[in-house]
Amino acid sequence: GQQVMQIPQYQHVQEGEDFTTYCNSSTTLSNIQWYKQRPGGHPVFLIQLVKSGEVKKQKRLTFQFGEAKKNSSLHITATQTTDVGTYFCAGYFGNEKLTFGTGTRLTIIP
Amino acid sequence: DVKVTQSSRYLVKRTGEKVFLECVQDMDHENMFWYRQDPGLGLRLIYFSYDVKMKEKGDIPEGYSVSREKKERFSLILESASTNQTSMYLCASSTILGSYSNQPQHFGDGTRLSIL
Repeated sequence: GQQVMQIPQYQHVQEGEDFTTYCNSSTTLSNIQWYKQRPGGHPVFLIQLVKSGEVKKQKRLTFQFGEAKKNSSLHITATQTTDVGTYFCAGYFGNEKLTFGTGTRLTIIP
Repeated sequence: DVKVTQSSRYLVKRTGEKVFLECVQDMDHENMFWYRQDPGLGLRLIYFSYDVKMKEKGDIPEGYSVSREKKERFSLILESASTNQTSMYLCASSTILGSYSNQPQHFGDGTRLSIL
């Protein structure tokens, strides 16, 4: 079946360090979305990437979509305690179902 | 703001019981979804619906059924609950209108279901 693999599963960083999570698919994605889930909360939509090689920024967050539209990454510069949570990528393969990655749980050491 | 409301935050049921999880959205969204979330597995789609009385199987529909009699309400039914259905269940909705290729999904707070 169509799967989206996400690494790492966990990431512990010192406050102020950078953080990156990666998503990979074996088949081409139509587009990819990113969600953030705070501890005890529900996933909240962050952004959608559609075009090959697309890069979008939201303040300290940078989202990239690979040239082949099979991979994506989220990079956070200079992490803050408010960045704590689990980050999910979720891809569309041309049908209507959104396939979620397994998520990366980010913890910040003050 | 979109509001997706799930009927229970926590629920404890016994093996073999028929369990109903309810979800209501207030934004007239066409699409509704049921996921389960388990550690290390992310969110897995159980069923989704594009319209009233319409349903489509997701990736893990076995042991579940759904009902959508009204546009705003999407129910998940565990026909005969089993311990392996202990999980966090998340409902989501989305519209077909908007600027995105695929519109963002809006999630409820989840129901943590324990089957004893």
